[in-house]
Amino acid sequence: SQQGEEDPQALSIQEGENATMNCSYKTSINNLQWYRQNSGRGLVHLILIRSNEREKHSGRLRVTLDTSKKSSSLLITASRAADTASYFCATHNDYKLSFGAGTTVTVRA
Amino acid sequence: EAGVAQSPRYKIIEKRQSVAFWCNPISGHATLYWYQQILGQGPKLLIQFQNNGVVDDSQLPKDRFSAERLKGVDSTLKIQPAKLEDSAVYLCASSEQLAGGNEQFFGPGTRLTVL
Repeated sequence: SQQGEEDPQALSIQEGENATMNCSYKTSINNLQWYRQNSGRGLVHLILIRSNEREKHSGRLRVTLDTSKKSSSLLITASRAADTASYFCATHNDYKLSFGAGTTVTVRA
Repeated sequence: EAGVAQSPRYKIIEKRQSVAFWCNPISGHATLYWYQQILGQGPKLLIQFQNNGVVDDSQLPKDRFSAERLKGVDSTLKIQPAKLEDSAVYLCASSEQLAGGNEQFFGPGTRLTVL
C-alpha cells in the first residue's frame, strides 16, 4: 500500500514561477525523500529530510517536514522547462520506502 | 560511476507466458530492490535484498513472482505465468546499505506489456 499522498495531482505553471506540492502520510517515519521522474532520466533522488529535521534546502529546492501533522512540502523556485516531471514523496520506515502517487508538474515556456 | 543496469528495456508477452528481468546494481551497493510501477501510480516495493538475503517480500505475489540475488550482486525477477494486470514498469534500485534509509538509485526500468 502507498503511504504518502501528494497534492495536487497535477500542476501547470509558467517558467520562472515557483511550484509547491504537498505530501501527507499516515505512520511514523525515519525520513522522507522526494524523487523526480521524467522520461529522459528515470527516477532520480532529489532530497532527503530526517524525522528530526524541519527544513532542508538543495539548490532551488526547499523541503519542509512537520511530523506533528504528518506532512511535507516541496518547493521548487524559479522553475525551468527541465523541471517538467512527476514528483514523488517517499516515506522511509521499517527499512522500506513507500511512494505516493505523485504530482505531475508541467512548466510552460 | 556506472548506474543501475536493467534489461531488457521493453518486453511484450501474451498472458500465461513467463518473463524474466535482470538487474545489475551499482558496484558495492549491498541492498537491492525491485519495484512495480503501474501507469499513473508511484512505485510499489515488491522485494528487497540485503546482500543475497531477502529482507522484505511481503508485497510479492509469490504464486507467480519470484526473485533471486545469487552471490549478492545482480538479480533476476521472474513472472510465471503472467497476467494482464502485470503490465507495468519494473524498476530495480540499489543503495549502499539497508540501515539509515539513505537514497536509492534507480535503473531505467523494464516496460512490460501483457496482451
